[in-house]
Amino acid sequence: QSALTQPASVSGSPGQSITISCTGTSSDVGSYNLVSWYQQHPGKAPKLIIYEATQRPSGVSDRFSASKSGNTASLTISRVRADDEADYYCSSYAGSTTHVVFGGGTKVTVL
Amino acid sequence: QLQLQESGPGLVKPSETLSLTCTVSGGSITRDSYSWGWIRQPPGKGLEWIGNIYNSGSAYYNPSLKSRVTLSLDTSKSQFSLNLSSVTAADTAVYYCARPSVTVIGEWDWFDPWGQGTLVTVSS
Repeated sequence: QSALTQPASVSGSPGQSITISCTGTSSDVGSYNLVSWYQQHPGKAPKLIIYEATQRPSGVSDRFSASKSGNTASLTISRVRADDEADYYCSSYAGSTTHVVFGGGTKVTVL
Repeated sequence: QLQLQESGPGLVKPSETLSLTCTVSGGSITRDSYSWGWIRQPPGKGLEWIGNIYNSGSAYYNPSLKSRVTLSLDTSKSQFSLNLSSVTAADTAVYYCARPSVTVIGEWDWFDPWGQGTLVTVSS
């Protein structure tokens, strides 16, 4: 059982927007803006797409955006495309004992 | 551009020690503020953080693995390593090395870049 809770799957049609939630606790997501999101295509390594809850690395499409409220972080993919089909993982700093936690991952399907 | 590459045996027997190395290229492994980490992913499952190590050698581990994990650095070879002892089938996974970012007060932040990953199977 993962420390952060994500929906197992989310789907949407091309051009639509989809949102993935990542729910933690007051010990991780709720206490730090150190939430990151990763995209993982089958057989590939994860790729950083969001860091520090809302920041997008250089080179990542502006169709990816994120937010955080309380113990829940969210990733939104706007104008979904076929190549957005992948698994998405959130991660958070969780304090000086637990350090780092990941979500269980969300499979995004483009219909 | 920093690149990471995992290497090591693809098959380990139960109760033995899993040993992997990550080779860093395109940058100095001892650069100020750099740290290094390991994450694993069992087949068909999610990501699990294993541990991070500062270039000073101080290491931090997942509490659930702490008793079996050791991270180390070999700066002369631009490598860092993972040792996981007393392995069982539950340790079968793709193991990734990655560079974690760290805040000025020592909080772990994002992981980037990642190595391509290496599959380690625990089986007799």
